[in-house]
Amino acid sequence: KAGVTQTPRYLIKTRGQQVTLSCSPISGHRSVSWYQQTPGQGLQFLFEYFSETQRNKGNFPGRFSGRQFSNSRSEMNVSTLELGDSALYLCASGPTRVEQFFGPGTRLTVL
Amino acid sequence: AQKVTQAQTEISVVEKEDVTLDCVYETRDTTYYLFWYKQPPSGELVFLIRRNSFDEQNEISGRYSWNFQKSTSSFNFTITASQVVDSAVYFCALSELGNQGGKLIFGQGTELSVKP
Repeated sequence: KAGVTQTPRYLIKTRGQQVTLSCSPISGHRSVSWYQQTPGQGLQFLFEYFSETQRNKGNFPGRFSGRQFSNSRSEMNVSTLELGDSALYLCASGPTRVEQFFGPGTRLTVL
Repeated sequence: AQKVTQAQTEISVVEKEDVTLDCVYETRDTTYYLFWYKQPPSGELVFLIRRNSFDEQNEISGRYSWNFQKSTSSFNFTITASQVVDSAVYFCALSELGNQGGKLIFGQGTELSVKP
């Protein structure tokens, strides 16, 4: 089976812009979660989707949003980018809400 | 409150040494899962193991072994006869069931450097 894929792998944006990141889960997986990784804060949970419904949300401002489509693919959007949004964004999928297998991540740089 | 603590920020060993990575967790749930992930320089988190709170049996997989002790809220990871390819950042994580399911709480990670 192919693993979790994330696109794009690298992205450079400027402050104030918005960005959309995409995640394709492993075939058959219905749960998708998103995490932000920074040197200062480590790995922090953003949100989780299961069967197109957001089941859980981390402590991030409303500029961070996401959605899941009927084919389980997920996107996350960050509006009005700030320098502090520079991070590695990791997506994980699982057949259940417990198991999580991660993709390679999208490295976002905000200038 | 849920929390995972990996007190060792960096560990450096010489190849073939055994090394233990410590993980201590806090949770009020009686049903939870514990995980270990490996993050090589490429950045992808590689799943290593998942244990549920009702299964305290130690597990061995090749050179890897895990010791889960509920009495001390610890889930330690030992690599026997370490190799250079084991160099990576290792994360311990906690997931509680109930309405928090699907959310992993990660420790700060332990960077392991194995020198030839």
